[in-house]
Parts: sequence; structure tokens; C-alpha cells
Amino acid sequence: DIQMTQSPSSLSASVGDRVTITCRASQSISNYLNWYQQRPGKAPKVLIYAASSLQSGVPSRFSGSGSGTDFTLIISSLQPEDFATYYCQQSYSIPWTFGQGTKVEIK
Amino acid sequence: EVQLLESGGGLVQPGGSLRLSCAASGFTFSSYAMSWVRQAPGKGLEWVSDISGSGGSTYYADSVKGRFTISRDNSKNTLYLQMNSLRAEDTAVYYCAKVPNRYCSGGSCYFDYWGQGILVTVSS
Repeated sequence: DIQMTQSPSSLSASVGDRVTITCRASQSISNYLNWYQQRPGKAPKVLIYAASSLQSGVPSRFSGSGSGTDFTLIISSLQPEDFATYYCQQSYSIPWTFGQGTKVEIK
Repeated sequence: EVQLLESGGGLVQPGGSLRLSCAASGFTFSSYAMSWVRQAPGKGLEWVSDISGSGGSTYYADSVKGRFTISRDNSKNTLYLQMNSLRAEDTAVYYCAKVPNRYCSGGSCYFDYWGQGILVTVSS
């Protein structure tokens, strides 16, 4: 199975900050990497698919990059509604696996 | 508007069975693969199973293989998850999720719409 490791596991940031979350795969997964946001008590929501493609309706302050084993999710200017947990997910091979999550909290 | 509504969750004893349903609307159900993803209390996301648009191809996580069965009724726009031989470690919120392609493969397996989730608790 492909292991997905996110860092950091949590972070504190202020509104307006630039936030960077990284995800590392245990083997190369090309660009088959997706990012989700999950607010407390809610279902996850896809933000980015295929490493860098912005899902329809997602604000442009979210961006993704990377290929191979190393990937990054950037929130360019953190908004109040962005405080949530973020997960990466590989879609290279079954079983589809998720990172452990990165919780973004208010500083 | 795409809507996914899970039902059938609840409390079940270890070794028991439960069938989850997910009623879909707002899209041509048979044209898209569907998946189940679960989340244990306070934990991260775990993919459980997926099924192709026609229902002809199914895949499972090792943790549920041989105990869970995914199926779909395209005439009723409904996805199912039959869960047998349930264990305490199956306790989780179960989400049904839509895949943006007929098959969940080749880099296309991400989840573009999710249900609200249904809680399954396995306990004596």
C-alpha cells in the first residue's frame, strides 16, 4: 500500500496568512494526488485534483503543486472559513489512501 | 444539484450485520463510479470500497474484504454496502461518495461529491 504522510499534523495561523501543507507519498504517484477540506462535523470536500487542478467552485486562494512523491497545498490568504482539517489522497493505485490530516487552527 | 443521502446506520453487536444505502439524485447515476469512505471517531479518512458505473467492477480495502459487499441498483439510483461479521474497529461514520468517472482508476479516482455520512457503532 502507498503511505501518505502529511506535515505538519497541525498548525496555528491568522486570517490573511499564507499556509503551506505538504504531503509525501511512499513511492512515486505521478500527479495522482487530491486534496480535501473537512470542516468539523461535515463531510469532506474536494479542493484540488490531479495535484494542481482546482475543483469547480473552489476559491482561487487554494492551489496545489507537485509530482512524483512530494506535493504541496497552499492557501494564499487564510480566511475564517478555511479553519478545518485538510487531507491528501493518492489515486495512483488501490487501495486509495489518505494522509493523516493537517488541522488548521486559529492563532 | 447532486445529492447523496445515506441511511441504515445504527448500533449493532459484534458479529452482526447491517446494510447501508445511499440514495443519489441530481446526476445520471449509472454513468459514475461510487465509493464508500469511512472515518472512525476522531480519526482520519479510510477508503472502504468502490464500484463502477455498471456495477460490473468492485474493489475493497483489505480490512473489509470478505465481510463487506458493495452493490448498486441503477434503476433506483441507490448504492449499497452490506456489512457482515462486524467488528468494533468498523465503528465509524460511513460516507458514500461520487467519483467523476465511470470507473475509479488511472488517476481519476477522487471523490467530487459526498453524502452527509451515517454513523455505524459496533458494540455489545
